[in-house]
Amino acid sequence: NAGVTQTPKFRILKIGQSMTLQCTQDMNHNYMYWYRQDPGMGLKLIYYSVGAGITDKGEVPNGYNVSRSTTEDFPLRLELAAPSQTSVYFCASTRGFNEKLFFGSGTQLSVL
Amino acid sequence: AQSVTQLGSHVSVSEGALVLLRCNYSSSVPPYLFWYVQYPNQGLQLLLKYTTGATLVKGINGFEAEFKKSETSFHLTKPSAHMSDAAEYFCAVTLLSGGYNKLIFGAGTRLAVHP
Repeated sequence: NAGVTQTPKFRILKIGQSMTLQCTQDMNHNYMYWYRQDPGMGLKLIYYSVGAGITDKGEVPNGYNVSRSTTEDFPLRLELAAPSQTSVYFCASTRGFNEKLFFGSGTQLSVL
Repeated sequence: AQSVTQLGSHVSVSEGALVLLRCNYSSSVPPYLFWYVQYPNQGLQLLLKYTTGATLVKGINGFEAEFKKSETSFHLTKPSAHMSDAAEYFCAVTLLSGGYNKLIFGAGTRLAVHP
């Protein structure tokens, strides 16, 4: 049982490049979330999904896109990367909104 | 706007002293409340949660929190701090938005424990 798997663990992008952060869970969870963590700012919700085909914006969605075609996968797309997107990104999933989150190990992204 | 606020970005206590980490939320409906802990270079793990029922919730590692609706608070406490409690603590609230529930985190409180 792998839990929540995020790839890559580290990535350096140049300004204007695009990339997709992958997130897969094998727990059949309906709820999936993408957060970014910046020092002193806590975790900010980027996008979330309550099931396949259903996504919604979080607190800081600008510059990002998501899709949820299957229950297992919830990729996060960065278009036209900017230095402000330098952060640690966490994917998480849960069975229900009143249940605990299972986190991936994070992706450290630098945009230079 | 619905939000969660953690008062004090840094808290320092002596080993054996009381730990009190503050969390207040704003919500138009009764929320679900969580405390997570993040040890250095690790992911977040759940300490405890309040959903319904008893307002005093006990978690792992001797932590507990009390939901006070009248004060819109969910403060985290531990009677006696241990060196191993040094970490960053996050309060989180499930908030209803656009017909869906989403989990919002506070900015975090870094707890330092000194001998």
